[in-house]
Amino acid sequence: AQTVTQSQPEMSVQEAETVTLSCTYDTSENNYYLFWYKQPPSRQMILVIRQEAYKQQNATENRFSVNFQKAAKSFSLKISDSQLGDTAMYFCAFMTSSGAGSYQLTFGKGTKLSVIP
Amino acid sequence: EAGVAQSPRYKIIEKRQSVAFWCNPISGHATLYWYQQILGQGPKLLIQFQNNGVVDDSQLPKDRFSAERLKGVDSTLKIQPAKLEDSAVYLCASSLGLRTDTQYFGPGTRLTVL
Repeated sequence: AQTVTQSQPEMSVQEAETVTLSCTYDTSENNYYLFWYKQPPSRQMILVIRQEAYKQQNATENRFSVNFQKAAKSFSLKISDSQLGDTAMYFCAFMTSSGAGSYQLTFGKGTKLSVIP
Repeated sequence: EAGVAQSPRYKIIEKRQSVAFWCNPISGHATLYWYQQILGQGPKLLIQFQNNGVVDDSQLPKDRFSAERLKGVDSTLKIQPAKLEDSAVYLCASSLGLRTDTQYFGPGTRLTVL
């Protein structure tokens, strides 16, 4: 079974600073996909960034970037120039085949990030 | 483009009552998912549809939960009878296809069972 571990239940960062959220996963699969989702207090889950395991290059989306270490099964999210709107729960998620041609997302427990003015 | 719509946003019921949640996915998305998110945890997949067929319902408690997507668009998730441990946020998501397409989530329905 696949598991996703986020070891930091809560974090805080000063506005305009940089913060890194950690995520590790456990799988025996070789073909999989990794995601970071953001869930603001309003509860709408929003995709932040996506990484395909077969790609060596780390994904970036504006102020958001990942450090994907496949051998270590680590997938951390770096947020640069933090903004007040980045305050949210951040979930790391792992996707792989669950059989019968379907793919299933497995989420970690989340990290609550607070950006302090 | 409209996002995933869900209703109601909040629901409070007593244990042993029934409740139903509705989801309308993004137009053109063939795959629809229902997740349960208990407070303090990440979402857990309950059921996955491809068009109007069930692809994966291995984690759906079938003795009390049921779901349907009759015309391959809207979906309804029902709980009958509800238990205290069913208190959670129920999230609906949709994606273009079945495989590795990004899932887009709705705002969720917060269920409280008293």
